[in-house]
Amino acid sequence: DTEVTQTPKHLVMGMTNKKSLKCEQHMGHRAMYWYKQKAKKPPELMFVYSYEKLSINESVPSRFSPECPNSSLLNLHLHALQPEDSALYLCASSQGGLGEQYFGPGTRLTVT
Amino acid sequence: AQSVTQLDSQVPVFEEAPVELRCNYSSSVSVYLFWYVQYPNQGLQLLLKYLSGSTLVKGINGFEAEFNKSQTSFHLRKPSVHISDTAEYFCAVSQDQTGTASKLTFGTGTRLQVTL
Repeated sequence: DTEVTQTPKHLVMGMTNKKSLKCEQHMGHRAMYWYKQKAKKPPELMFVYSYEKLSINESVPSRFSPECPNSSLLNLHLHALQPEDSALYLCASSQGGLGEQYFGPGTRLTVT
Repeated sequence: AQSVTQLDSQVPVFEEAPVELRCNYSSSVSVYLFWYVQYPNQGLQLLLKYLSGSTLVKGINGFEAEFNKSQTSFHLRKPSVHISDTAEYFCAVSQDQTGTASKLTFGTGTRLQVTL
């Protein structure tokens, strides 16, 4: 099973709201990732967790706050977002240093 | 630093015709190479990967790619495309990692448009 699940599928939020995106994998992967993808662009890496510890933060604004409660779960907490944060948010996981990442279906976020 | 260049932003092709999507990379160290496909409103699906060994790599849905170290290329090919192959295709490179996580560098993507 090479499945990564993400909830919700769609999310509309106002600029003062607080919401969370959830990602789950049951492949025993020890690395998990958050990406942001704008229309007609490749995914941009936001955060990397390795063995439940944050290992890479690509200078993401603090209104995005990642959390890895256990090896299967990854959350992205959202607060005071801007309209330009509207995008497809993708979660991925990998076994480790081989580079092969498996992606979830994404959450389509719209900030109004 | 590594980079990936996908020379064609769009490739129109008729159904049952062959197609080649081009990808060139630059890196000063050993790399792993990937092709991902993204259908509208979906995540990325791994089509195929080159880690080591045979330079001709076969993937899902009848796609294959050839790793050419001297030309630093990893072009994707399919001998006969179907309407359902219409999608965005991303080439990606990952630098040899000894740690526990990888960092992918993506190309800008190629939109494959298959028509009747």
